[in-house]
Amino acid sequence: DARVTQTPRHKVTEMGQEVTMRCQPILGHNTVFWYRQTMMQGLELLAYFRNRAPLDDSGMPKDRFSAEMPDATLATLKIQPSEPRDSAVYFCASDDFRGAGELFFGEGSRLTVL
Amino acid sequence: QKEVEQDPGPLSVPEGAIVSLNCTYSNSAFQYFMWYRQYSRKGPELLMYTYSSGNKEDGRFTAQVDKSSKYISLFIRDSQPSDSATYLCAMNNDYKLSFGAGTTVTVRA
Repeated sequence: DARVTQTPRHKVTEMGQEVTMRCQPILGHNTVFWYRQTMMQGLELLAYFRNRAPLDDSGMPKDRFSAEMPDATLATLKIQPSEPRDSAVYFCASDDFRGAGELFFGEGSRLTVL
Repeated sequence: QKEVEQDPGPLSVPEGAIVSLNCTYSNSAFQYFMWYRQYSRKGPELLMYTYSSGNKEDGRFTAQVDKSSKYISLFIRDSQPSDSATYLCAMNNDYKLSFGAGTTVTVRA
């Protein structure tokens, strides 16, 4: 059963702390996305990679967020320092670049920054 | 103004009713039109996608795209309590998906 795996599922932290979220895309998928979902803004694209190369991170606050893909089986999203306004559900999604936008989402990492 | 507009609802219908959902968009470059379903505390999952204008049917679900009006719809026939979820429309441009806000649907048994 191929699926996108995200860790941690839940994270509560204090303002100023570093947060790292991890994603294992579906084996064979060469495109990985990071989305953030809030009630106010809905789903927002933060960044995406193809063949491990970052293609677009224009949706990401550059001063505190960073996204990397150290290898084909791992994508990371880091927030340093975290702020209360970062509280959201962060989703990772992957696909095999067939062009139709058929993304497979993980179950998300629910972040609360106090 | 957002590229994709979707009424967040919520929408509550009795079991067996037809559910009608829709989105409007402003970017005429969109080519693929999708509907994702998201259950509470889960990630979105692709329900259907349509390329360009036209209709597509899959069981109880029908997706319609009218590019001339920049309007897409999803119909759920014979709705079931298991259809209770948030439905998000999505469209792509240069491989980046733009999502609607999502409409929360509750089907009452």
